[in-house]
Amino acid sequence: EVHLVQSGAEVRKPGESLKISCKASGYSFNNYRIGWVRQMPGKGLEWMAMVYPGNSHTIYSPSLQGQITISADRSISTAYLQFSGLKASDTAIYYCARHLTRDSYNDAFDIWGQGTMVTVSS
Amino acid sequence: DIVMTQSPESLAVSLGERATINCKSSQSVLSDSNNENFLAWYRQKPGQPPRLLFYWASTRESGVPDRFSASGSGTDFTLTINSLQAEDVAIYYCQQYYNTPRTFGQGTNVEIK
Repeated sequence: EVHLVQSGAEVRKPGESLKISCKASGYSFNNYRIGWVRQMPGKGLEWMAMVYPGNSHTIYSPSLQGQITISADRSISTAYLQFSGLKASDTAIYYCARHLTRDSYNDAFDIWGQGTMVTVSS
Repeated sequence: DIVMTQSPESLAVSLGERATINCKSSQSVLSDSNNENFLAWYRQKPGQPPRLLFYWASTRESGVPDRFSASGSGTDFTLTINSLQAEDVAIYYCQQYYNTPRTFGQGTNVEIK
């Protein structure tokens, strides 16, 4: 069965850094893009970025470029979302999600992680 | 960026009745290369991640009940829930995957009247 399991909730202070993870199982990790989606408290969904683990190619939302870094470690089938210089406005649930189709660039997300709650507060 | 606008923002429907959600994109998401609309629908229940309902605008994801249907092309799309059930209470989102950044509608909150 296909799963994405994310790391647990985190609390950080403003200015701190953070790396959260998304471990994949049950499919060929290298061949499916993984995206990251943010949901601020009580708000809708915001697409952040995506990575193709096969060659580590990444695409970022222009509004977040430079603020986050995504990556994938093929050896452990895990994708990462990294923040530097967290702000209170980064408080949100962060979801990883897999593209529906192998090797696709334009695609919907069919498998979602359970979400990681990140709280940034002094 | 392609702006996705859903209507209504909130919808109260009696059990067994029909719910209709509209989604409009600021530019066409119909691909010339494969004649498909790069449009997905998701359902999100409280405390859960989103669940894919439809992709390519009208292709039902495996396991989605057939009381759900989706249609549309170009810039105008519709999600219909026939015979609303209690478990359909959720927020519904459309998303375009034609361009990056991918963008979602603001969501439609479906409740029981």
